[in-house]
Amino acid sequence: DVKVTQSSRYLVKRTGEKVFLECVQDMDHENMFWYRQDPGLGLRLIYFSYDVKMKEKGDIPEGYSVSREKKERFSLILESASTNQTSMYLCASSSSGISGNTIYFGEGSWLTVV
Amino acid sequence: GENVEQHPSTLSVQEGDSAVIKCTYSDSASNYFPWYKQELGKRPQLIIDIRSNVGEKKDQRIAVTLNKTAKHFSLHITETQPEDSAVYFCAARISFGNEKLTFGTGTRLTIIP
Repeated sequence: DVKVTQSSRYLVKRTGEKVFLECVQDMDHENMFWYRQDPGLGLRLIYFSYDVKMKEKGDIPEGYSVSREKKERFSLILESASTNQTSMYLCASSSSGISGNTIYFGEGSWLTVV
Repeated sequence: GENVEQHPSTLSVQEGDSAVIKCTYSDSASNYFPWYKQELGKRPQLIIDIRSNVGEKKDQRIAVTLNKTAKHFSLHITETQPEDSAVYFCAARISFGNEKLTFGTGTRLTIIP
């Protein structure tokens, strides 16, 4: 079974703190994603990566950055957390293919910024 | 970019009845349409998908239909059961070779015993 592991399930951080959300996948997938889930807004893509050291902005990248130094690990960074970044963050991965491949999600990280 | 609209946002059906969730997409280049189910407190998981060269796909009580001309696709669940209660997300892949998925806003389905 594909395993996408998010190391922190629940975090509470103060406004202005730097926050790291870590994600590891064990299936040698090329693609990794960070989504944000908010009620009524669905899953919105923050950043994605097709390969090591590669990153592309998604639909809502403002206030976030990412790092992919190793193929299995994709980190989401909030340089200076703000209360409007309180949300559920979902990491995901998939293999590359010409006709679409399943995206596998992690369990999610609940972040509260106070 | 791609835009996916999903309706309804909430849906309640009697156990044993059918449920239908509809999505529309904007980019005619989209060629892959998965559906994800998210149970309370759990991760979204793929339940069925359809590619643009197929009009319908069925897996036991779940089916998905695709109308490329109208740019809409639907999820059909027959003989609903309590364990079908969840949030369902549709998604569309924007272009050939691009793995980025755009998701709809989700439908909370409640099965009434």
